[in-house]
Amino acid sequence: NAGVTQTPKFQVLKTGQSMTLQCAQDMNHNSMYWYRQDPGMGLRLIYYSASEGTTDKGEVPNGYNVSRLNKREFSLRLESAAPSQTSVYFCASSVPTYSNQPQHFGDGTRLSIL
Amino acid sequence: AQKVTQAQTEISVVEKEDVTLDCVYETRDTTYYLFWYKQPPSGELVFLIRRNSFDEQNEISGRYSWNFQKSTSSFNFTITASQVVDSAVYFCALSSDDKIIFGKGTRLHILP
Repeated sequence: NAGVTQTPKFQVLKTGQSMTLQCAQDMNHNSMYWYRQDPGMGLRLIYYSASEGTTDKGEVPNGYNVSRLNKREFSLRLESAAPSQTSVYFCASSVPTYSNQPQHFGDGTRLSIL
Repeated sequence: AQKVTQAQTEISVVEKEDVTLDCVYETRDTTYYLFWYKQPPSGELVFLIRRNSFDEQNEISGRYSWNFQKSTSSFNFTITASQVVDSAVYFCALSSDDKIIFGKGTRLHILP
């Protein structure tokens, strides 16, 4: 009963390094999302994918790229990490996009950029 | 523009007290959905409840209850007889017009 799986759980990077966060879901959901959570800021949407082969920008997309590799997997890439990208990253999935169905979240990736 | 406001940044109550977490939202859409999520200290996000804009019935689930009032654009969450395990950050969220917006969360401390 895995649900949404994120890897890695923790990562420390140096400024300028690149990194890909992986996310996979086994619930046959169409839509997948990447959020970042910063203290006092709640959850902010970075990118989302309504279906395989499509991606769209969310509220804070700058500095990130995404790939919807297949229906199960949605990766988030930081090409040149900056200290401002230190955050906890959550991946989520849902049946259709922004519907009445709740999103299911992974356990998060805690990323520190030095 | 859509907006979710959780004005209470942090609340502390003594165990067994009742506590209400406020959520006020803004949207121009007539069809929308409201959610509450819980984030315990372990960090995961747990779905608690969903409510659509056409259903203003209040809901009770054990010690949890939700009061949805369209007239005041509020979707408040009450925990009755709070327990230490209720300590968490609680997020309210609004889904409409192909977007979902989360509030900034309310950190709830239940003191033994």
